[in-house]
Amino acid sequence: GDSVTQMEGPVTLSEEAFLTINCTYTATGYPSLFWYVQYPGEGLQLLLKATKADDKGSNKGFEATYRKETTSFHLEKGSVQVSDSAVYFCALRLYSSASKIIFGSGTRLSIRP
Amino acid sequence: DGGITQSPKYLFRKEGQNVTLSCEQNLNHDAMYWYRQDPGQGLRLIYYSQIVNDFQKGDIAEGYSVSREKKESFPLTVTSAQKNPTAFYLCASSAGTGAPGTEAFFGQGTRLTVV
Repeated sequence: GDSVTQMEGPVTLSEEAFLTINCTYTATGYPSLFWYVQYPGEGLQLLLKATKADDKGSNKGFEATYRKETTSFHLEKGSVQVSDSAVYFCALRLYSSASKIIFGSGTRLSIRP
Repeated sequence: DGGITQSPKYLFRKEGQNVTLSCEQNLNHDAMYWYRQDPGQGLRLIYYSQIVNDFQKGDIAEGYSVSREKKESFPLTVTSAQKNPTAFYLCASSAGTGAPGTEAFFGQGTRLTVV
């Protein structure tokens, strides 16, 4: 079935370090891909998205490129800040069937000052 | 302001009681979803609805029920049959299955604790 696999956390980095959070997917159709962020005690907010192969989504210094050949959508940021500490979820949505949105298990990111 | 509202933010339930979580949206979205999130874990889909008066079971529907009588509202009832209901519950809405890239919008969540 359709699924999303994320690297397990927690991930702990120092401020200004480079961040990569891996995400791979399995889908029967041609999905759109998303990264959401969740701050403590809150709901999820959309961080970025991409709808077709080789698209690059970007927002707030974060980037992710839709790689169809490797079925991946890895999240990157060149220089993380303490305020980036949160849980990050990769997700996919297919449009050929029911409008289910499938999430990965989430990756907790902690940034040390 | 357009958005999605969940209430209450915190809810306590005695064992054996049913409890209903509210979810309202004013985004004119067709699709609505309920997810459950346990500590340190991802989101698991409970129920979703693509249109009024229609809904489908997700991956963990046992012990839960929903209704979709109005486009704006998608309440979730946690019944006494749910063996381990303590969790963080998230409601989301989205435009229908139309355009690729259509995102989901989330409420702030309801934290349910069984006492």
